[in-house]
This record gives sequence, structure tokens and C-alpha cells, in this order.
Amino acid sequence: AQSVSQHNHHVILSEAASLELGCNYSYGGTVNLFWYVQYPGQHLQLLLKYFSGDPLVKGIKGFEAEFIKSKFSFNLRKPSVQWSDTAEYFCAVNARNAGNMLTFGGGTRLMVKP
Amino acid sequence: NAGVTQTPKFQVLKTGQSMTLQCAQDMNHNSMYWYRQDPGMGLRLIYYSASEGTTDKGEVPNGYNVSRLNKREFSLRLESAAPSQTSVYFCASSIRPTAGDHNEQFFGPGTRLTVL
Repeated sequence: AQSVSQHNHHVILSEAASLELGCNYSYGGTVNLFWYVQYPGQHLQLLLKYFSGDPLVKGIKGFEAEFIKSKFSFNLRKPSVQWSDTAEYFCAVNARNAGNMLTFGGGTRLMVKP
Repeated sequence: NAGVTQTPKFQVLKTGQSMTLQCAQDMNHNSMYWYRQDPGMGLRLIYYSASEGTTDKGEVPNGYNVSRLNKREFSLRLESAAPSQTSVYFCASSIRPTAGDHNEQFFGPGTRLTVL
């Protein structure tokens, strides 16, 4: 069975700091990869996704993620965070040959101090 | 387009009570999903429906039942609620049941359920 690990459970940054959130998955086959964001009191929204092609994926709000197949990783980055980026971030994976079921990481709670 | 809607937003139950969470989508999606979200555990799949008329168990189905009423609606029922079912429940939908290109899932606003 596939699993997804997000090693940073809580991250606190000051505005303008750079962000990198780690995501590793365990599955040897072809995968689709996602980052979702959940702002306080809101539902999950898709930040970015990787299906194929360029392993550097750009999403909304200045976020990007890089798929490194050899490391089974899909880390999320943003060069300069804003207070409005305070949210919980979830990495998710689905295996191409296992239907469309998502396996989520445990989430990383990001707080950006103004 | 409302996207994915869920009712109710909040619910408090006593142990042993039953209730049904409702979910509807207006995106003409074929597949629908129910997840629960618990602190530090991300979201875990309870049940899903690949298409109208079909349902399958996910990772944590015990204590739940589902009904795919029609293409738009997918309900989740707790027959006899237990404190371990205190959680936030999210419904999601996708165009297709397979993990293909651009087949991301869209989520509803969630139902916060407390079982006393």
C-alpha cells in the first residue's frame, strides 16, 4: 500500500521568508502528485498537481513543487511567504493503476508571522 | 457553479444515534468520495463511488454506509455513532474514476461532527 510522509508538522516563518515543505511517498509505480491547501475554516483547495512532463510544477499564489522520482519526493516551495499563506498544507498521491483514490500525508501547519 | 456542497456544516450526536451526511456536486462528475480528517493523520478515504450505481470501501469503512442516490448525490450514514467517529468529514468528486491526467478531486466545505 502506498503511504505519504510529511515530516514537518508545524512550521513558523516570518513574512518574506522562503518556504520548503517536504513530502515523500512510498510507491514504486507511476504516480500522480498533488498539494492541497486548507485555509482556516475552509475546505481543501488544489495548489498544484503533477501528472507527467516537466517535474517542476508551478501552481497558484506563487507556489511550486519539484518531483524527484529517484527520491520519491514532491517538495513544495515558495520564495517569499505572506501572512495570508497561513494554512495547513497536504501532500497527496494516487497510484496510476489503483483507481483515483488519494493517499494523503498528515499535513503541515504553516504559520506566517507578520 | 456551487461545486461540491455538504450538509450539515456542524452536528453533535450522542453515542448510538444515527445520522446521514449529504453531499451533492453540480460539475457532472462521475466519481465521488467520502473522507474523514483527523489531526495529524491527513484525510483518509471512507468510501467512494466510481460511478452512479457503484460503491466501494476505502481505507476506514467500518461504522459507515453510503448511498449513491444519483449522479449528483452521495450520502454517508452513521448507523450508531461512536466517539471515535468525531471528525471532520469531507466529500469530494472527480470527473473519472481512474487516476488519469487532470483528474483531480474537488472538495466540499466539510461537516464537523462531534459524538459525545
